[in-house]
Amino acid sequence: EVQLLESGGGLVQSGGSLRLSCAASGFRFSSYGMTWVRQAPGKGLEWVSCISGSGGSTFYADSVKGRFTISRDNSKNTLYLQMNGLRGEDTAVYYCAMHEGQYTHSPMAQHWGQGCLVTVSS
Amino acid sequence: QTVVTQEPSFSVSPGGTVTLTCGLSSGSVSTSYSPSWYQQTPGQAPRTLIYSTNTRSSGVPDRFSGSILANKAALTITGAQADDESDYYCVLYMGSGIWVFGGGTKLTVL
Repeated sequence: EVQLLESGGGLVQSGGSLRLSCAASGFRFSSYGMTWVRQAPGKGLEWVSCISGSGGSTFYADSVKGRFTISRDNSKNTLYLQMNGLRGEDTAVYYCAMHEGQYTHSPMAQHWGQGCLVTVSS
Repeated sequence: QTVVTQEPSFSVSPGGTVTLTCGLSSGSVSTSYSPSWYQQTPGQAPRTLIYSTNTRSSGVPDRFSGSILANKAALTITGAQADDESDYYCVLYMGSGIWVFGGGTKLTVL
């Protein structure tokens, strides 16, 4: 059974940093691209970033480019999102999700984590 | 910047059929945009219904179907049930590694 479990969320001051993790199990992690999606309170879903199965390709939404870094450790079956320079508008539930193949243009996403909350205080 | 458009809200009677759409502020949606559809109820993670335009996710009943209609991606729900009352989101692949979600449609079943 595919499982994705996010961790690392919490309360952080504006300008601060946080690193989210997504522990994956139940599938060959290195064979699948992964994505981070967020949802601000009362708002819709927003795609944040994605990474290929090998980790060689990464892409970002304009809203986080230059501040967030996506990475993965295939030996640990774990996806990361390093968030620096956090702002109030980054307050959201962050979900990790898997693509249907190793490439970031592979369809997304049949499996999602339960999400973790990041709150940025001013 | 291209915006992905969805109806903000829609209403359907129990047992009825409804088609939600996912379009572009500029241009037409085709299968190359790899549209996917998600259902979300308050406080829950999204649930994938459809990916790659018309592939039903595991466990999703066949009364949910995806297609391209009139230059938009479409999600059709036939025989609507009370527990279909949810928010529905689409996502499109814009190329160069970029994905964009629509604003979501709040579906009411009454």
